[in-house]
Amino acid sequence: EVQLVETGGGLVQPGRSLKLSCVASGFTFNNYWMSWTRQAPGKGLEWVASITNSGGSTYYPDSVKGRFTISRDNAQNTLYLQMNSLRSEDTATYYCTGAFDYWGQGVMVTVSS
Amino acid sequence: DIVMTQAPLSVSVTPGESASISCRSSKSLLHSNGITYVYWYLQKPGKSPQLLIYRMSNLASGVPDRFSGSGSETDFTLKISRVEAEDVGIYYCGQLLENPYTFGAGTKLELK
Repeated sequence: EVQLVETGGGLVQPGRSLKLSCVASGFTFNNYWMSWTRQAPGKGLEWVASITNSGGSTYYPDSVKGRFTISRDNAQNTLYLQMNSLRSEDTATYYCTGAFDYWGQGVMVTVSS
Repeated sequence: DIVMTQAPLSVSVTPGESASISCRSSKSLLHSNGITYVYWYLQKPGKSPQLLIYRMSNLASGVPDRFSGSGSETDFTLKISRVEAEDVGIYYCGQLLENPYTFGAGTKLELK
């Protein structure tokens, strides 16, 4: 059974940092591009970041470029999202996805003073 | 950025009847490799999105064959035959042709 389990969410003040983790199981992690997608409360889906199988290339939309960093540890089947300079508009549930086929249960990030 | 436009925003369906959801992209999603990179997801209440259809018309593993996807280069349709109670939720189309990957605003399916 495929499982993606995200951790690391919480309440953080604007301008501060937070790091999310996602542990994968049930599929060959290093065969998959991995991504983070978020959903603001009551809103739709927004892609946040993607990383290739090897971790050699990363991709971001303009809304987070320069502030967020996606990375992975294939030995530990773990995906990360380092989020810096957080803003109120980053408040959302963050989903870890495997090639957009598999989705985790999500972790809530709230940016507020 | 490629804009994905869904219609309708909501649909109310009698159980056992069929439903169709439309999605239009602002740019062709047909790659030179012949694959059309449109995907369909269902987000059930309180749950994370689940993949229904990939590459326009391929049924994801474990998804009932009541679901089907079709379309052209820019106009796509998700059809649900014989709607059941478990089909309630928000349906999203998404394009994975090029980044930034983008999604439609969603279509809420309810039962009459």
